[in-house]
Amino acid sequence: GAVVSQHPSRVICKSGTSVKIECRSLDFQATTMFWYRQFPKQSLMLMATSNEGSKATYEQGVEKDKFLINHASLTLSTLTVTSAHPEDSSFYICSARTGGVMNTEAFFGQGTRLTVV
Amino acid sequence: SQQGEEDPQALSIQEGENATMNCSYKTSINNLQWYRQNSGRGLVHLILIRSNEREKHSGRLRVTLDTSKKSSSLLITASRAADTASYFCATGDNQAGTALIFGKGTTLSVSS
Repeated sequence: GAVVSQHPSRVICKSGTSVKIECRSLDFQATTMFWYRQFPKQSLMLMATSNEGSKATYEQGVEKDKFLINHASLTLSTLTVTSAHPEDSSFYICSARTGGVMNTEAFFGQGTRLTVV
Repeated sequence: SQQGEEDPQALSIQEGENATMNCSYKTSINNLQWYRQNSGRGLVHLILIRSNEREKHSGRLRVTLDTSKKSSSLLITASRAADTASYFCATGDNQAGTALIFGKGTTLSVSS
């Protein structure tokens, strides 16, 4: 299946700093990627849809100025958590779908565990 | 947003037993998918069942879909310790530009 690579897998940062998380589709082009957030023992909550060459679409309640998304190429989307605070500590996962009628499954990155201290 | 509920939220069984997890959803669907997540990792696709299918098998996995009740079940037969993980159902349309929406998940623990 298709491969989505996410980096870094873990990051610890100080409160007030910014953290960038990268999501790459390694063997396919992804015009759209998705960013999810997952709290411990909970499900994945969709944060935003990242569109190549255009602005991301954010879900209700997600601060676009807080979570900056850039999708500058067909294989790379980045999520920057700006001015991070401890409440931003979470597991962030990116995903992409290869598209087409027969290709409806999603492929996920390995996730990034963000800890803000 | 979340699509629906899974039950049970947690399930503990012995190796060799079968594990059944259920998922309910709210909207009409084109397909329903099941994913597995090992602790602290990304998700892995297990199986997809289309809205016009009622049952599907893949190895030790059996998925059923009842669109009239807006529910699906995942059965893992002859479970193994390596099956320990969280399992999520997800719905979404056939377009690559549309995100999957996940249920709350079932955490399965299989002890040897």
